[in-house]
Amino acid sequence: EVQLLESGGGLVQPGGSLRLSCAASGFTFSSYAMSWVRQAPGMGLEWVSGISGSGFNAYYADSVKGRFTIARDNSKNTLYLEMNSLRAEDTALYYCAFSRAGEVVAYFDYWGQGTLVTASS
Amino acid sequence: EIVLTQSPGTLSLSPGERATLSCRASQSVSSYLAWYQQKPGQAPRLLMYGASSRATAIPDRFSGSGSGTDFTLTISRLEPEDFAVYYCQQYGSSPPAFGQGTKVDI
Repeated sequence: EVQLLESGGGLVQPGGSLRLSCAASGFTFSSYAMSWVRQAPGMGLEWVSGISGSGFNAYYADSVKGRFTIARDNSKNTLYLEMNSLRAEDTALYYCAFSRAGEVVAYFDYWGQGTLVTASS
Repeated sequence: EIVLTQSPGTLSLSPGERATLSCRASQSVSSYLAWYQQKPGQAPRLLMYGASSRATAIPDRFSGSGSGTDFTLTISRLEPEDFAVYYCQQYGSSPPAFGQGTKVDI
């Protein structure tokens, strides 16, 4: 059974940093691109970042480019999102997700339950 | 970047009725269009991909159609568990993008 378990969310002051993790199991992690998708409270879904299965290629939404870094450790079956210079508008539930199609730009079959990031003073 | 516009914002219907949800893209996405259902406190669930292919275990009362810029999700007869928010998503070009959602409520 595929499982994605996010962690690392919390309350941080604007300008601060957080690192999110997504522990994956039940599939061959290194074979699939992975993404982070966020949802601000009461709002819609926004794709944030994606990374290829090898980890060599990373992609970002304009809203986070230069502040967030996506990475993965295929030996640990774990996806990361390093978030710096956090802003109030980054407050959201952050999901990790992936597609059986294997690509970054794809539909998302599988989702975790999310970890909440709150950037507030 | 491609922008997706969903309509209506809210659809008020009763169990047993037909629901028709629209998604329009700012430029062609071919058939690279997916639909998701999200209930309160839950992650989104994939319903459709490739505009008209049902995802695993999705009942056949859900159907999708369209190509290019105009897409439709139809729920033939609403069941109580279908009352939720529905999002479309394009994956025809980077970055992947979601519509703003349509809420189907009673």
